[in-house]
Amino acid sequence: AQSVAQPEDQVNVAEGNPLTVKCTYSVSGNPYLFWYVQYPNRGLQFLLKYITGDNLVKGSYGFEAEFNKSQTSFHLKKPSALVSDSALYFCAVRDPNSGGYQKVTFGIGTKLQVIP
Amino acid sequence: KAGVTQTPRYLIKTRGQQVTLSCSPISGHRSVSWYQQTPGQGLQFLFEYFSETQRNKGNFPGRFSGRQFSNSRSEMNVSTLELGDSALYLCASSPGASNTGELFFGEGSRLTVL
Repeated sequence: AQSVAQPEDQVNVAEGNPLTVKCTYSVSGNPYLFWYVQYPNRGLQFLLKYITGDNLVKGSYGFEAEFNKSQTSFHLKKPSALVSDSALYFCAVRDPNSGGYQKVTFGIGTKLQVIP
Repeated sequence: KAGVTQTPRYLIKTRGQQVTLSCSPISGHRSVSWYQQTPGQGLQFLFEYFSETQRNKGNFPGRFSGRQFSNSRSEMNVSTLELGDSALYLCASSPGASNTGELFFGEGSRLTVL
């Protein structure tokens, strides 16, 4: 069974500093990995994904994530945090052997607080 | 293109009642998934429909059911509501033909059970 762990409930970072939100996963075979962001009282918005290829993927709003197969991790990063980045971030994994099935497993979420 | 639309956005019910939530996917998307979001549990997968067929189901009791219509719109129903059913219910759509694409979420229906 596939699973995702986000070990930090909350991450605090000062505006302008680099940020990292951690994610580890468990899935058979090569995973499809995603990051989503949720602002208060809104649905989730897609940020970026890793399917194959370059381990460093770039996404929306200046975010990027690094896929590390040996550590089964997919950490979300941004070189310089903005106050507007404050939100709830979800890591997600899909089993590539699920065919077209859209069963995606999400982590519990990490609240990012960027301090002015 | 219009996004995923969920109705109603907010609703309050009492224990024992039932509720029906609606989701209109992005035009052309054939897959609709439903998730329950609670503060302590994160997003829990309920079920996924593709071309009117349920392809996947999460670990929820039979009180939770859904269906998809020929126009890809989907509904989920919760019968005999319990206090623990209070949550944000999120619908997500995708084209459905590939499992490498992202999900497109609606803004959710917030259910409060009293």
